[in-house]
Amino acid sequence: GQQVMQIPQYQHVQEGEDFTTYCNSSTTLSNIQWYKQRPGGHPVFLIQLVKSGEVKKQKRLTFQFGEAKKNSSLHITATQTTDVGTYFCAGPGETGNQFYFGTGTSLTVIP
Amino acid sequence: IAGITQAPTSQILAAGRRMTLRCTQDMRHNAMYWYRQDLGLGLRLIHYSNTAGTTGKGEVPDGYSVSRANTDDFPLTLASAVPSQTSVYFCASSWTSGTGANVLTFGAGSRLTVL
Repeated sequence: GQQVMQIPQYQHVQEGEDFTTYCNSSTTLSNIQWYKQRPGGHPVFLIQLVKSGEVKKQKRLTFQFGEAKKNSSLHITATQTTDVGTYFCAGPGETGNQFYFGTGTSLTVIP
Repeated sequence: IAGITQAPTSQILAAGRRMTLRCTQDMRHNAMYWYRQDLGLGLRLIHYSNTAGTTGKGEVPDGYSVSRANTDDFPLTLASAVPSQTSVYFCASSWTSGTGANVLTFGAGSRLTVL
């Protein structure tokens, strides 16, 4: 079955440092989505990437979709304490209507 | 406020008991999902429904059943709870088309402890 892996599982950074999480799928994805879950909260949609090699930015967040559409990354520039949370990537299943989530990367920002 | 309502928020349950987690959405989304979240394992899909009247199995369906009698409701039932089903359960919904699923909207979650 499809597997979506993320690394690292945990990341502690000093406030102001950059952060990157990587997502790898065992299969080619038609699209990939990223979600953020604050501590004690529920996942909230951040962005969707569809095209091979696509790059999208949201303020300090940069999202990339690999050329082969099997991997993706999320990069945060100059982290802030508001960035704390777990970041998940998610990709559709074979039928396209199921969504499988990665294992997540938990980000801690030290003030 | 449009969204997803889950109930109960938390529950402690004796092993062997039957439990139904409720999920209701008011966004008229056609697809609904149940995930469980466990430390280090991320969100794992239990069951899903592409439209009212249909359901499908996800990654970890054993021990769980679902029904989708109408568009809005998607209850998850544990017929005989076991301690390994201790987890946080999230219900989600999305509008899907022929090109696949769109954005998932999640409920606040139900924390279940099975003793």
